[in-house]
This record gives sequence, structure tokens and C-alpha cells, in this order.
Amino acid sequence: NAGVMQNPRHLVRRRGQEARLRCSPMKGHSHVYWYRQLPEEGLKFMVYLQKENIIDESGMPKERFSAEFPKEGPSILRIQQVVRGDSAAYFCASSPTGAPTGMQYFGPGTRLTVT
Amino acid sequence: LAKTTQPISMDSYEGQEVNITCSHNNIATNDYITWYQQFPSQGPRFIIQGYKTKVTNEVASLFIPADRKSSTLSLPRVSLSDTAVYYCLVGAGNTPLVFGKGTRLSVIA
Repeated sequence: NAGVMQNPRHLVRRRGQEARLRCSPMKGHSHVYWYRQLPEEGLKFMVYLQKENIIDESGMPKERFSAEFPKEGPSILRIQQVVRGDSAAYFCASSPTGAPTGMQYFGPGTRLTVT
Repeated sequence: LAKTTQPISMDSYEGQEVNITCSHNNIATNDYITWYQQFPSQGPRFIIQGYKTKVTNEVASLFIPADRKSSTLSLPRVSLSDTAVYYCLVGAGNTPLVFGKGTRLSVIA
């Protein structure tokens, strides 16, 4: 039973380019969460999605950032016109429906570097 | 705003028991307490979870007093490979997790 998968693991983009980060949740999980981590900081929530729906995007910047979780395929976090401040580690987590304990399973992360 | 408060850092020698205490004064009735471990350049890894009293697994023990306003993660006989950041979180259901800065544990030979 594979865990949460993320790709790419490392991504380098020049300022102004687009970054696409992919997340495949654990089998049977329909809830996906994206978090961002800056150096020496804890993870910060960005967006919570369930299949084809955005449930909570309160942590995501209003501009340049978008997320989707289509019926088929992985969840995508898209950052348009990247800036140096977007450099961070982006983690995806998943959970099954009705999980009472709040536990989430995390992927290995994508480390984005903007040059 | 993080729902939990824990020490920023701790040091320990190899072979010692390490106890990390976390405060969560506003824990809700249906919240569970979960501890994650994170190594550099990796995602958080689940260590242990509990609701009340004591929970033990092959890695750690979790002590939760009756009022549930705090919890203590106990790592028996730590080794160098236990050097990591440890996060205490509270939550329930399919809600986003609120991370604090965690506790940076350094194990010294």
C-alpha cells in the first residue's frame, strides 16, 4: 500500500515561470491538504480539497496560487509567475473520509527553488 | 495561531529518556492529540496519537492527564537517529492541521 506520493521532489524555476506540484494521495483517501514550510518554520496550511471540490482555501494566497483535485488523477498545486518568496518545501497530506482522529499522512514534499 | 505550545528545543544524551510536554489549553471535546516527527528534507511522520490517559507503541509513549490540557511525549533511550523536530497537534475529523514551530530535539553522543 503506497503512501502519499509527490512529484517532482525538487523543482527549480526562474522568476516569472509557472510551477506545478503533484500529489497522489494514499489509496482510498479522498481528502487532500497542501502545506508550505519555510526554513526553520512549522508547516502552514494552504488548501484542503476533496475530490473535485475545494473545501477550504483560507491559507492560500489569493493571487498566482491555485489548486485542484480532479475526479481522476493527482491533486495539483499550481503557482503562476513564481517569485523568490515562493521558494519553500510544499507538503501534501491525505486522509480518508470520516477519519475521527484527525490524522493525516504526509508525502515527502516538493522543494521549490526560485532563481 | 497554533493551538499548541511546546518548547523550542531540547538536548539529550544518547540512551536517556526524553519527555516533551505540549500545552493545549483550548482542546475541544472531540480533538485527538497527535505527535509527528520530521527529519530535514522529509515530510512529517506519525509517531503516536491518543485521546486520554496513556498510549504506548513500539516507538513512544503518550501521557495525557484527565483535563487533557497538556500531553507528554516520552521517547525511551534515545539514539542519534532520534534527532529531529517533534510536533504536537490537536484536531479531529477532516480538518486542516495547525502546526506550531515544534520542538527541535538534539541527541548528543
